[in-house]
Amino acid sequence: SYELTQPPSVSVSPGQTARITCSGDALPKKYAYWYQQKSGQAPVLVIYEDSKRPSGIPERFSGSSSGTMATLTISGAQVEDEADYYCYSTDSSGNHRRVFGGGTKLTVL
Amino acid sequence: QVQLVESGGGLVKPGGSLRLSCAASGFTFSDYYMSWIRQAPGKGLEWVSYISSSSSYTNYADSVKGRFTISRDNAKNSLYLQMNSLRAEDTAVYYCAREDCSSTSCYLDYWGQGTLVTVSS
Repeated sequence: SYELTQPPSVSVSPGQTARITCSGDALPKKYAYWYQQKSGQAPVLVIYEDSKRPSGIPERFSGSSSGTMATLTISGAQVEDEADYYCYSTDSSGNHRRVFGGGTKLTVL
Repeated sequence: QVQLVESGGGLVKPGGSLRLSCAASGFTFSDYYMSWIRQAPGKGLEWVSYISSSSSYTNYADSVKGRFTISRDNAKNSLYLQMNSLRAEDTAVYYCAREDCSSTSCYLDYWGQGTLVTVSS
């Protein structure tokens, strides 16, 4: 079955740039989406269609995709950005199944 | 504003059944695909199932296929997940979410707060 692979953890100091990667064979054909989940809360969409930012999401959040890798970048990470981040996409094999990456714990301290 | 409220979670014995509901408001429910996603304690998100706006199409993760059934009632603005033959590994918070679909892809734009299902003897 189709998989998206993320690093388990990323750690940065406040004000630094955090980059979280997501690799998957179908990403050249399918968009990547990124969700932020803070402890005890439902996930929130922070990037859609590889690089678009929903209204209300701070400009420090950006996304890109090249080949089989999508990247979420948080420029000038804040303490309040500490959360789990999940990439999300669709299998391109024709079964239309959705899939999440395993998640990345971002620590900002 | 878009609201999704799940209900129906609880404690059930292995092999038992449970039906989850999701009440939708703040948008035209019949225009949207809907999905269920779950999260086991301390684990990541797992997509479970989706249903098309008119119920014509459904899809399931391999881990639940043949045991879970997704359905909807557009007249009641409600989404359901019938869960049969439950196993300990089905223990999770279950979220319903709205799908925003373009010609090329779908994604989850609004989520409920989730309902906890615990499968234990």
